[in-house]
Amino acid sequence: SYVLPQPPSVSVAPGQTARITCGGNNIGSKSVFWYQQRPGQAPVLVVYDDSDRPSGIPERFSASNSGNTATLTISRVEAGDEADYYCQVWDNGMIFGGGTKLTVL
Amino acid sequence: QVQLVQSGAEVKKPGASVKVSCKASGYTFTSHYIHWVRQAPGQGLEWVGMINPSGGYTSNAQKFQGRVTVTRDTSSTTVYMELTSLRSEDTALYYCARQVDTGLVGLDSWGQGTLVTVST
Repeated sequence: SYVLPQPPSVSVAPGQTARITCGGNNIGSKSVFWYQQRPGQAPVLVVYDDSDRPSGIPERFSASNSGNTATLTISRVEAGDEADYYCQVWDNGMIFGGGTKLTVL
Repeated sequence: QVQLVQSGAEVKKPGASVKVSCKASGYTFTSHYIHWVRQAPGQGLEWVGMINPSGGYTSNAQKFQGRVTVTRDTSSTTVYMELTSLRSEDTALYYCARQVDTGLVGLDSWGQGTLVTVST
């Protein structure tokens, strides 16, 4: 079955840029979705179809997808960005990455 | 605004069944698939299954084949997820979520989650 490896954790200082990767065999051929989940809350869609942002999501959130890696980039990181981030694709079922905990130092 | 409101927490014994509801409002119910995703305590997200509210077509994760049934009632704009033969590993927060669009299989609105606890 299709697997989406993500780094378990990423740490970044406020104001810096965080990059969270999502691996997958030829993931560049699939549409990738990214979710933010703050503690005790339901996930929130922050990127859809590789690189589009839903309304209300800050421009600081951007993403790309090519080859075997999709990447979520968060610019000018703020304390409120601290959360778990999940990538997701469809491959004979909905597949989620294992999640990455973003810590803002 | 789009809202998905789920039923309350459940406590079940091993071997029992649970049925969780998800009432949708704020959009055309038959225009978006509804998915079920679960999250065990301290763990990641896991897809359970989905339904097309328009025609009733369903698809479930292989892992749950034979144990999960997703249904809908268009008159009340409510989707249901029933899980049978419960075991302790089914203890999780179960979310319903709306698919973005027919061709975009991501989830743009989520319910608040329903905690299902399986315990003797």
